[in-house]
Amino acid sequence: DAGITQSPRHKVTETGTPVTLRCHQTENHRYMYWYRQDPGHGLRLIHYSYGVKDTDKGEVSDGYSVSRSKTEDFLLTLESATSSQTSVYFCAISGGNEQYFGPGTRLTVT
Amino acid sequence: GESVGLHLPTLSVQEGDNSIINCAYSNSASDYFIWYKQESGKGPQFIIDIRSNMDKRQGQRVTVLLNKTVKHLSLQIAATQPGDSAVYFCAEPKFTGNQFYFGTGTSLTVIP
Repeated sequence: DAGITQSPRHKVTETGTPVTLRCHQTENHRYMYWYRQDPGHGLRLIHYSYGVKDTDKGEVSDGYSVSRSKTEDFLLTLESATSSQTSVYFCAISGGNEQYFGPGTRLTVT
Repeated sequence: GESVGLHLPTLSVQEGDNSIINCAYSNSASDYFIWYKQESGKGPQFIIDIRSNMDKRQGQRVTVLLNKTVKHLSLQIAATQPGDSAVYFCAEPKFTGNQFYFGTGTSLTVIP
């Protein structure tokens, strides 16, 4: 998985609780991304980062925030989880043209 | 707006046969495309890419063809094996924040 880890790999949480997902890379790549993947929608970009403390919104950013205090770590936070945020979340990194993906986090909001 | 789509959501082939997965794009200015493979329970894995100055690019058992006239690209897998069973995506970089458009994917099932 090109030196990308995600934690946790699985999580079940209740509606209204905060959740933080972590992405860690060992490749020293500049760009990092958070996607969600749902049936019928493919991969949709939530937020991305183009450097430490430099982030921007993707197409489905509502209800999510991110932080990148170090090159290697990119955190995705759901401030108050909702059932519509039940999904599989993928982190990706890029140092050039291709994006390399992590193994994913399956999040269930009950 | 730009879009990257796939013609068929599912494809079943016999083991040993060749597979062809298609992808259409709408932005004629797109100059780079990637194919990803995603196995069940895993993240997408880079397979092969192609630039618009090429019509064809070959990898190990895979070939990508690009037809810029009709804005279409295809992924051909030779001698398909059970391990090729997966969802295949095409992706097109936006070149804005190094973002990408992803197709919804074609699910390939290899029948032994």
